[in-house]
Amino acid sequence: DTGVSQDPRHKITKRGQNVTFRCDPISEHNRLYWYRQTLGQGPEFLTYFQNEAQLEKSRLLSDRFSAERPKGSFSTLEIQRTEQGDSAMYLCASSLDGHTIYFGSGTRLTVV
Amino acid sequence: GIQVEQSPPDLILQEGANSTLRCNFSDSVNNLQWFHQNPWGQLINLFYIPSGTKQNGRLSATTVATERYSLLYISSSQTTDSGVYFCAVAYNTNAGKSTFGDGTTLTVKP
Repeated sequence: DTGVSQDPRHKITKRGQNVTFRCDPISEHNRLYWYRQTLGQGPEFLTYFQNEAQLEKSRLLSDRFSAERPKGSFSTLEIQRTEQGDSAMYLCASSLDGHTIYFGSGTRLTVV
Repeated sequence: GIQVEQSPPDLILQEGANSTLRCNFSDSVNNLQWFHQNPWGQLINLFYIPSGTKQNGRLSATTVATERYSLLYISSSQTTDSGVYFCAVAYNTNAGKSTFGDGTTLTVKP
């Protein structure tokens, strides 16, 4: 059990560019979640997969955001045409039973 | 949606002191977890506790679901306990969506 892995740890991008983050969940976990956290606040739910199916999306997830989980394994979160307001920590988490969730170390995005 | 309030927002302790952190929530929940976010940003799951009491070493937690609150107790605090403590709740035991409070920032001084 190697834990939830996220890549990259840090990303600096220019406004208007596209970025993609990767998350590898704990191997036997079928549920995968994406959250976003800004300074001084708790994480906010973005979207949730059970296996390869995306079951729920937050209204925070504008049409510039898209997430995939092909084959129910790793997941990617893409942000198109980044804006300065997208600067945040993007957290991935996974769960086997839906009761207890385990977070990765996050990807810190800075849009300049 | 459900509202989660944590108190106090900030807490400063001397090493060895005890503390109680509180989480109030606005609606019935079937999933409640406590997390510790260390100074490097890593979120560590402390307890899954939708009701009842659990203990793990110097930490314990109690959730009174009927009264919509949960408490996290830290005894004999250590400097490594510093960080932000979050409460997260969800309506459904299998829900992917959890609502987090804004956290309690704990600083333990040597």
